[in-house]
Amino acid sequence: KQEVTQIPAALSVPEGENLVLNCSFTDSAIYNLQWFRQDPGKGLTSLLLIQSSQREQTSGRLNASLDKSSGRSTLYIAASQPGDSATYLCAVRDPRGYQKVTFGTGTKLQVIP
Amino acid sequence: DGGITQSPKYLFRKEGQNVTLSCEQNLNHDAMYWYRQDPGQGLRLIYYSQIVNDFQKGDIAEGYSVSREKKESFPLTVTSAQKNPTAFYLCASARGTSSNEQYFGPGTRLTVT
Repeated sequence: KQEVTQIPAALSVPEGENLVLNCSFTDSAIYNLQWFRQDPGKGLTSLLLIQSSQREQTSGRLNASLDKSSGRSTLYIAASQPGDSATYLCAVRDPRGYQKVTFGTGTKLQVIP
Repeated sequence: DGGITQSPKYLFRKEGQNVTLSCEQNLNHDAMYWYRQDPGQGLRLIYYSQIVNDFQKGDIAEGYSVSREKKESFPLTVTSAQKNPTAFYLCASARGTSSNEQYFGPGTRLTVT
């Protein structure tokens, strides 16, 4: 059974700092991995999707990497801003169960002005 | 504007009553999903539908029912058989193609007393 872990559960950084969020998964046989942002009481906003054949994806100040063999993905946020404060979740899709997506419990990020 | 809408945002019900949560999308996506989010846990899949008039149970389908009569709509009914229905419910959709990037609605917070 796939398990997805995100450590730390919470992170607080000063504005302007570069930071890395971690996502680990136990089964390296994944179809893709998706990073989301969730603001309090709101739905999830897709940030980046990495296919299993890719190593990284970039969007603006965000860069996500994928190392399937070690079961790890990282989300790098450059020059953090207070508006980046949110919970960040990763989710992996199982290639064998087409609709099977396993979510991590998220890292709650606070960027302090 | 294309997107996913969920209504209502907040819902209160007495124990023993059935309640239906609405999910509509105008993204022309084939696949739709219902997830449940509880504090400290990752999202858990309740039901999903890959095409109209077809749906499948997810990991925690007991006490829930769905229908998919139209491509745009995927309502979720929380029945009185669901033992712990108070939660945040999220609807999502995806094209259903190989990329399968999921897009989420804003969520409905259901409180049953």
